[in-house]
This record gives sequence, structure tokens and C-alpha cells, in this order.
Amino acid sequence: AQSVTQPDIHITVSEGASLELRCNYSYGATPYLFWYVQSPGQGLQLLLKYFSGDTLVQGIKGFEAEFKRSQSSFNLRKPSVQWSEAAEYFCAVGEDNYGQNFVFGPGTRLSVLP
Amino acid sequence: GAGVSQSPSNKVTEKGKDVELRCDPISGHTALYWYRQSLGQGLEFLIYFQGNSAPDKSGLPSDRFSAERTGGSVSTLTIQRTQQEDSAVYLCASTYGDRNYEQYFGPGTRLTVT
Repeated sequence: AQSVTQPDIHITVSEGASLELRCNYSYGATPYLFWYVQSPGQGLQLLLKYFSGDTLVQGIKGFEAEFKRSQSSFNLRKPSVQWSEAAEYFCAVGEDNYGQNFVFGPGTRLSVLP
Repeated sequence: GAGVSQSPSNKVTEKGKDVELRCDPISGHTALYWYRQSLGQGLEFLIYFQGNSAPDKSGLPSDRFSAERTGGSVSTLTIQRTQQEDSAVYLCASTYGDRNYEQYFGPGTRLTVT
């Protein structure tokens, strides 16, 4: 079964600074990879996804992520973070398979200093 | 179109009472998921419905938890004899098709058991 780790529980950055949130997965085949954001009191919103092809994926709101098979990683990046993007960020991995095999990481809480 | 909706948004109940949480998925979405998110935790998979197939109940934590999906649309998660450890945000998500593509999440129901 697949698993997802997000090594950083909490990250604080200053507004305008660059951001990288780490995600590592364990899965035997090529996974489907996702990043979601959860703003306070809200449901989860998909930022971006990787299924195949170009390993650098562009998402909404200026986020991007790079799939590195050799490192089993799918880190989320943004060159300049806004104060309003303080939220919880979840990485998730799924299988190309019937069923629920879709696992979320524990999340990384992002705080942004004005 | 409308997104995934959940009701109630907040529910406070006394220990030992039964509760029902409702999820209305996006029209046309065949798959529906329930997750539990405890304070400061990631998402814990509970149950998965796909069309008319038997649901995947492998994530339900105890026999006090059950869910049904009527007419392939609305779903109800029932927790019997609630316990304080059941306090959490219960999230519902739906997706189109039989693969773990991007899930669209509802805003969640915050359950507090006193």
C-alpha cells in the first residue's frame, strides 16, 4: 500500500518569500500525486495534480510541483507567498486502480508573516 | 454548477447520542468518499461508494459507524452512541468515474461530542 509523508509539520515564511513544501511517497508503481490546500474552516481545494508526462506541474494560484521519481518526492513550490495563503497543505497519492486507494499525508501548516 | 455540500456545518451532541451527517455530491459524480479529520491531523479515510457497487467500508473505525448512499447520490454517515473521540471534522468528497482522480471536497461537518 502506498503512504505519504510530509516532513514539516509547520512552516513559517515572510510574505513575498519563496516557499517549498516537502512531500515523499512510497509506492511501487507510478503514482497519481496531488496537492490540496485547506484554508481555515474550509474544505480541501485541489492545487495541482500529476498523472504522467512533464514532471514539472503547474497549478492554480502560481503553485508548481516537481515529481522526482528517484527521490520519491513531489515538492510544492511557489516563488512568492501571499499572506492570504496561510493554510494547511496536504499531499496525496493515488493508484490507477478501482477503489479508494488514495492516501493523504498529515499536512503542513503554513504561516505567513506580514 | 454547485459543489459538494454537507449538512449540518456544525453539530454538538451529547455522548451516547446518535448523529447523522449528510453529503450531497456534485451532480453526475459516481464516486463518493467520507473522511475524518481530527484536530491537527491529516485525513482518515472512512468509506467509499462507487456507483451501485458494494461500498468499501475498510476505513470505518468501529461498528458504531455506518453510511449509506441512496439513489447513487446523497449519502448519510451515521455515528451511533457517540463518544468524545468521535469529535472531528467529517469531510465528504466526490469524483467522476471509477478512478482516484481529483476529488472535490465539501466544507465539512464539525462534530463536537460533549
